[in-house]
Amino acid sequence: AQSVTQLGSHVSVSEGALVLLRCNYSSSVPPYLFWYVQYPNQGLQLLLKYTSAATLVKGINGFEAEFKKSETSFHLTKPSAHMSDAAEYFCAVSDTNGAQKLVFGQGTRLTINP
Amino acid sequence: DAGVIQSPRHEVTEMGQEVTLRCKPISGHNSLFWYRQTMMRGLELLIYFNNNVPIDDSGMPEDRFSAKMPNASFSTLKIQPSEPRDSAVYFCASTQSTYEQYFGPGTRLTVT
Repeated sequence: AQSVTQLGSHVSVSEGALVLLRCNYSSSVPPYLFWYVQYPNQGLQLLLKYTSAATLVKGINGFEAEFKKSETSFHLTKPSAHMSDAAEYFCAVSDTNGAQKLVFGQGTRLTINP
Repeated sequence: DAGVIQSPRHEVTEMGQEVTLRCKPISGHNSLFWYRQTMMRGLELLIYFNNNVPIDDSGMPEDRFSAKMPNASFSTLKIQPSEPRDSAVYFCASTQSTYEQYFGPGTRLTVT
């Protein structure tokens, strides 16, 4: 069965610093991978997705993620954090049992220090 | 496009009462998902539909929970009777066969 592990339930960085949120997945077949962001009191919003095209995926708000098959990783990065990036981030992998389900990680809360 | 619409946005009810949450997916999407989010358990998939047919309800916590999708533009999640441990944010999401799910704003349920 597919699974997602997000390393670190809480990450804190200074404004202007690099943001790195870690995600490792397990999948028996080439997966589709996603990062979602959830701002307070809102639903989840898609940041970016990997669907077996380019391994470096660019998303909204300056975020990007790199698919590394050898490391089974899909880490999310942003070169320079902004206060507005404070939110919870979820990594997700496609379920492969012929369904459209996504398997979500537990989430990482990102805090930006001024 | 209006996105996924959920109602009500907030619901406060007493233990034992029936609660009905509503969802209108994005027009043209053929799959709909109900999730529950709590601090303790994170984001949990309760049930999902494909072409209005329930495909996997293994996440539904118990018989007090039921979900229906009578047509392509409407779904309900019902809890009867409600209990304090059902307090959570319930999200509806839809997709058009691409895995990419679009989430609604959620319904915050408080059962006292």
